[in-house]
Amino acid sequence: ELKVEQNPLFLSMQEGKNYTIYCNYSTTSDRLYWYRQDPGKSLESLFVLLSNGAVKQEGRLMASLDTKARLSTLHITAAVHDLSATYFCAVDSRMDSNYQLIWGAGTKLIIKP
Amino acid sequence: EAQVTQNPRYLITVTGKKLTVTCSQNMNHEYMSWYRQDPGLGLRQIYYSMNVEVTDKGDVPEGYKVSRKEKRNFPLILESPSPNQTSLYFCASISASGLYNEQFFGPGTRLTVL
Repeated sequence: ELKVEQNPLFLSMQEGKNYTIYCNYSTTSDRLYWYRQDPGKSLESLFVLLSNGAVKQEGRLMASLDTKARLSTLHITAAVHDLSATYFCAVDSRMDSNYQLIWGAGTKLIIKP
Repeated sequence: EAQVTQNPRYLITVTGKKLTVTCSQNMNHEYMSWYRQDPGLGLRQIYYSMNVEVTDKGDVPEGYKVSRKEKRNFPLILESPSPNQTSLYFCASISASGLYNEQFFGPGTRLTVL
C-alpha cells in the first residue's frame, strides 16, 4: 500500500527565514505533485516533478525529487506572509488504470511578520 | 475559462436525508474524481470515473454513490448521510496527458450532517 508522509505537519516561522517541508513515500513512483491550499479555498497546483533529480522553482518556492530515496522537498526561501497556506504533496500511484493520487496529510505553514 | 464547479458550496443536513452534490467541468476531461478532506488526513479518494458510464471505488467509498451519464457531470450521492460524512468534499477533473495527471479541483463543498 502506498503511503505518503509529510513533515512537519505544522510550521510557524518568521518572515525572511528559510525552511524545508519533506515528503516521503513508500513505494516506487516517479510522479510527485505539490499543491497549495489557502484557508477555506480549493487546491492549487504548484509543481509536478516527473523524474529523479527534477527541480522546479517558482518565486520563493523550490521543489525537488529524489526517487531513489523516495523523498521530495519543498524549500521556502526568505519566507513572506503571502506564503502562509497548507501545502500538500501527492504521489501518482498508477495502479491499473486508476489515475489515483495518494496524498500526504498536509503541512500547515504560518509565516509571521 | 476552464473550470470545475460544485454545488452546493455549503450544506447542513440531518441524518438519513438523501442529498446530491453536483460537479461539472468544461474541459472535456475523461477522468473525474471525488475526494473528501478531513483534518490531518489529507485527501482521500471516494470514487473516480474514467469515462461516461465507467466508475470505480476509491479508498473510502462506503456510504457514497456516483454516476457519470455525461462527460461533463459527475454527481456525488449520499443516500442516507450520517454524521461521520461531515467533511469537506472536492471534485476534481483530471487531464491525463500520458506524462502526468494534472488535477483541477472544484471550490469544495462543506457538508455538515447533524
